[in-house]
Amino acid sequence: IVLTQSPGTLSLSPGERATLSCRASQSVRSSYVAWYQHKPGQAPRLLIYGASSRATGIPDRFSGSGSGTDFTLSISRLEPEDFAVYYCQQYGSSPQTFGQGTKVEIK
Amino acid sequence: EVHLLESGGGLIQPGGSLRVSCAASGLTFSNYVMSWVRQAPGKGLEWVSAVSSSGSTYYADSVKGRFTISRDSSDNMLYLQMNSLRAEDTAIYYCAKEDRTYWYFDLWGRGTLVTVSS
Repeated sequence: IVLTQSPGTLSLSPGERATLSCRASQSVRSSYVAWYQHKPGQAPRLLIYGASSRATGIPDRFSGSGSGTDFTLSISRLEPEDFAVYYCQQYGSSPQTFGQGTKVEIK
Repeated sequence: EVHLLESGGGLIQPGGSLRVSCAASGLTFSNYVMSWVRQAPGKGLEWVSAVSSSGSTYYADSVKGRFTISRDSSDNMLYLQMNSLRAEDTAIYYCAKEDRTYWYFDLWGRGTLVTVSS
């Protein structure tokens, strides 16, 4: 399954809302989609699994939604530490695959 | 504290071999499926290989027949033996732990850089 993320780059200011899209080339079984945050030189961090469940310790400003082929990660109010690259992953079909990423940068 | 630490990356010539390692701490390593995921320069993440708690192994088509994943649960270590390396194998290699039930990754290391170049 090929995942296409959009936009490639999102330029926003702290306090604004971010909406990231992940579109699958075919339906993802049981909405098995995860989202990760990745900052340069750091380990990627799991944010969302099962399309909408927040991982342990993830602030509630992060939320995930979607089903079938269209999934969304929303960040309600951007904090300075949220500027990073975000990846979606589908794990409903083997092999699990990732999108190419969306960079959220400071405007 | 639970964490994963990769090591063993470096510069290697095309056709060469290299083994990267991952040390796990703070978790019962033997209970989990462990994977290697890589990121080529300027590219997204790509799953490379996985090994189950029972030792079953899985590979991406791009590395099948060239890479071998293994684990030593007594030492909490994960390995990736990479042979017949190609320029397109140049990437940061991340060690990642899978959830106990599903194939998403709930713990990652910081990665080790492998550069294949003459």
